[in-house]
Amino acid sequence: DVKVTQSSRYLVKRTGEKVFLECVQDMDHENMFWYRQDPGLGLRLIYFSYDVKMKEKGDIPEGYSVSREKKERFSLILESASTNQTSMYLCASSLMGSSGGEQFFGPGTRLTVL
Amino acid sequence: DQQVKQNSPSLSVQEGRISILNCDYTNSMFDYFLWYKKYPAEGPTFLISISSIKDKNEDGRFTVFLNKSAKHLSLHIVPSQPGDSAVYFCAASDWRDDKIIFGKGTRLHILP
Repeated sequence: DVKVTQSSRYLVKRTGEKVFLECVQDMDHENMFWYRQDPGLGLRLIYFSYDVKMKEKGDIPEGYSVSREKKERFSLILESASTNQTSMYLCASSLMGSSGGEQFFGPGTRLTVL
Repeated sequence: DQQVKQNSPSLSVQEGRISILNCDYTNSMFDYFLWYKKYPAEGPTFLISISSIKDKNEDGRFTVFLNKSAKHLSLHIVPSQPGDSAVYFCAASDWRDDKIIFGKGTRLHILP
């Protein structure tokens, strides 16, 4: 059974702080993704990675960076948190070449930036 | 430019009746379509999918229909149950890419 875990369920940070969101998957998936979910906007892709040390920008990468040093771990970094980054952050993973295949999601981290 | 559109933000259906959630897409390169279900404070979970070579896929109470000429798909839930109350995301992918493009979601309320 695929498991994707995220380091925190709820997080409160102050404007300007550096924020790290961690995601770990245990199914040896090559692909990992970071999304944010906002009411009325659905799931928007921030960054994704097809392999260790590889990263690709998604639709809304501004204000974010990512790190993938190990296959199972994909970190999202907010260099200087701002209030408009208050959101639900979702990590997902999938097999390489699974075009159309299922992505498995973590439980999400609800981040509030004050 | 939205490639996957769910035009109904919310839908209310009586328990026991059929729920029909609709989705339109614009990219003719999409060849695989998925539906995800999301409860509050949880990550989305995969529900059902359909390949572009089919026009129907059924799994228990859930059926997805695909009309390629209209670039339209729908999810039917019969009969609707209280546990079906959730946000449903339509998604699509292109064989050239492992990314999935999500719609904005439809919140389904099942009324007692």
